[in-house]
Amino acid sequence: QQPVQSPQAVILREGEDAVINCSSSKALYSVHWYRQKHGEAPIFLMILLKGGEQKGHDKISASFNEKKQQSSLYLTASQLSYSGTYFCGTPGGNNNDMRFGAGTRLTVKP
Amino acid sequence: DSGVTQTPKHLITATGQRVTLRCSPRSGDLSVYWYQQSLDQGLQFLIQYYNGEERAKGNILERFSAQQFPDLHSELNLSSLELGDSALYFCASSKTAGELFFGEGSRLTVL
Repeated sequence: QQPVQSPQAVILREGEDAVINCSSSKALYSVHWYRQKHGEAPIFLMILLKGGEQKGHDKISASFNEKKQQSSLYLTASQLSYSGTYFCGTPGGNNNDMRFGAGTRLTVKP
Repeated sequence: DSGVTQTPKHLITATGQRVTLRCSPRSGDLSVYWYQQSLDQGLQFLIQYYNGEERAKGNILERFSAQQFPDLHSELNLSSLELGDSALYFCASSKTAGELFFGEGSRLTVL
């Protein structure tokens, strides 16, 4: 029931782009994306709902293909502040049973 | 500040002991989730409560139990502690839909 994320880790230079993928074996109601800095609590980035809607947050955007049960997070022109571990979450109906992927560790270097 | 309060922030105890972690959700949030995060690992879902009732259960050990009280705060009880239980335990709250708000976590060290 836990979604699968890829890649496990990414190292970028400032200004480079990255894509993080999330897939699930179960039908998805929505997909959540969170970022966690080392030793801190995860922080919400965005929710993707059914309909293939693409949302954005600064230079971070995401897409959701419910037919393929997949979501992708796009980070463009990465900044040092983007470093952290990104988790996708896939709840059941009514936000029940929120499971997270294993995470993707993103490191942005100067 | 997410509005979710967890206590204690740090806890050191010995194997075989029992501890209780407490979580106060954001005002108005009926759902409370508990997650375990071992060192540099992912967020392992333990259990979810909604308005006092258990709503979903993850891979929570039998030695662990939780409840949500009428005032909506929740407690996670960990007993017969083992070295492997050392981890950061997060509580999160949400409404029926929308984002989860995480507390700062309770770091448990079992010696």
